[in-house]
Amino acid sequence: DAKTTQPTSMDCAEGRAANLPCNHSTISGNEYVYWYRQIHSQGPQYIIHGLKNNETNEMASLIITEDRKSSTLILPHATLRDTAVYYCIVRVDDTGTASKLTFGTGTRLQVTL
Amino acid sequence: DTGVSQDPRHKITKRGQNVTFRCDPISEHNRLYWYRQTLGQGPEFLTYFQNEAQLEKSRLLSDRFSAERPKGSFSTLEIQRTEQGDSAMYLCASSLGSGTAGEQYFGPGTRLTVT
Repeated sequence: DAKTTQPTSMDCAEGRAANLPCNHSTISGNEYVYWYRQIHSQGPQYIIHGLKNNETNEMASLIITEDRKSSTLILPHATLRDTAVYYCIVRVDDTGTASKLTFGTGTRLQVTL
Repeated sequence: DTGVSQDPRHKITKRGQNVTFRCDPISEHNRLYWYRQTLGQGPEFLTYFQNEAQLEKSRLLSDRFSAERPKGSFSTLEIQRTEQGDSAMYLCASSLGSGTAGEQYFGPGTRLTVT
């Protein structure tokens, strides 16, 4: 799996949009971009994933650049409950040995009042 | 369906003792994964099962570690002769294994402290 690079930490004011960047310059054409988050003392939680197109769900939006070398996770209206470590992961798909997730150290997002 | 559950949530043991953790995946999921997480680091893959078959083991899984998934349902992770370096959060996850870009659902983890 390709490596990802994320900032170590970010701050965001409550109610504002949180934009979390991720670089994956060596991503292969068949690799998806996944985002998970981990709230303190809990297991990681799936947020969203995408291949080429931008994606949106009830939790967040994922913007992938046209060359697919970077992406941005957007939490449109951050709340204190969004304070967590956010992991950007690239992975082929859910088949065979490619299905394991390779986590980096992620971005620690602190949402403040 | 209440998601992935793990038991116990916390375990304190003395060095040299054996410990066993249990994971109950989401019922229709045929893939089950074990990860380990130490303080300040992201989770690291240990092993995974497709139904009852253990298909991959990380080099992190020394011979003191053994995992089983009898009948393709719940799974157990046993650590024999625990060492202080085994202190970590042990996370279990499951997925449909549909062959598509499926997400993994994680349990709350078992925190192991070896004294």
